[in-house]
Amino acid sequence: DTGVSQDPRHKITKRGQNVTFRCDPISEHNRLYWYRQTLGQGPEFLTYFQNEAQLEKSRLLSDRFSAERPKGSFSTLEIQRTEQGDSAMYLCASSLTSGRAGTDTQYFGPGTRLTVL
Amino acid sequence: AQSVAQPEDQVNVAEGNPLTVKCTYSVSGNPYLFWYVQYPNRGLQFLLKYITGDNLVKGSYGFEAEFNKSQTSFHLKKPSALVSDSALYFCAVRVPLTGGGNKLTFGTGTQLKVEL
Repeated sequence: DTGVSQDPRHKITKRGQNVTFRCDPISEHNRLYWYRQTLGQGPEFLTYFQNEAQLEKSRLLSDRFSAERPKGSFSTLEIQRTEQGDSAMYLCASSLTSGRAGTDTQYFGPGTRLTVL
Repeated sequence: AQSVAQPEDQVNVAEGNPLTVKCTYSVSGNPYLFWYVQYPNRGLQFLLKYITGDNLVKGSYGFEAEFNKSQTSFHLKKPSALVSDSALYFCAVRVPLTGGGNKLTFGTGTQLKVEL
């Protein structure tokens, strides 16, 4: 079990540039989640996938954000035309559907820290 | 709306002493509650969860949590703190999503500092 991995770990970009982050979930986990965490706050939900289908998006996810999970394995999160307010830690988590609804545990990756200058 | 609150921004405890990190919840229906720990510049590590059953839940690294329905609390505890337990602790509640998934709604976190 190699855990959830994310790449890159750090990204510094200039305002207006596009950035893309990658998340590799735990093998065979069918659910994948993206969260955003700003300094001094708990993570906030952005979006989630069940296999390759994106089933829900938060209102936090503006039109500049897009996420994909093309084959139900890894996922990418792209931010277009970055703004300074996008600076945050972007966390990915994965889980495996359990027999009882709502009981699956989400395992988090190390995160990608984005700094927009 | 489902939410959790962590009333203490920081908790200080001496190594070897018992520790408690507090969490209260506001949930309609049965609460599914979680504790995670975050070390600097790292992601969140799962400690334990309460779904149903025994009110005392045992988790990783010697941590346990007590679910109290009448007080709507889910406090994290450890009988004997270690300096290496110093980290940021988050309480979370699950919120159902479309398609059977669940998002976690987190508290604001409690910084635990264990001193020699």
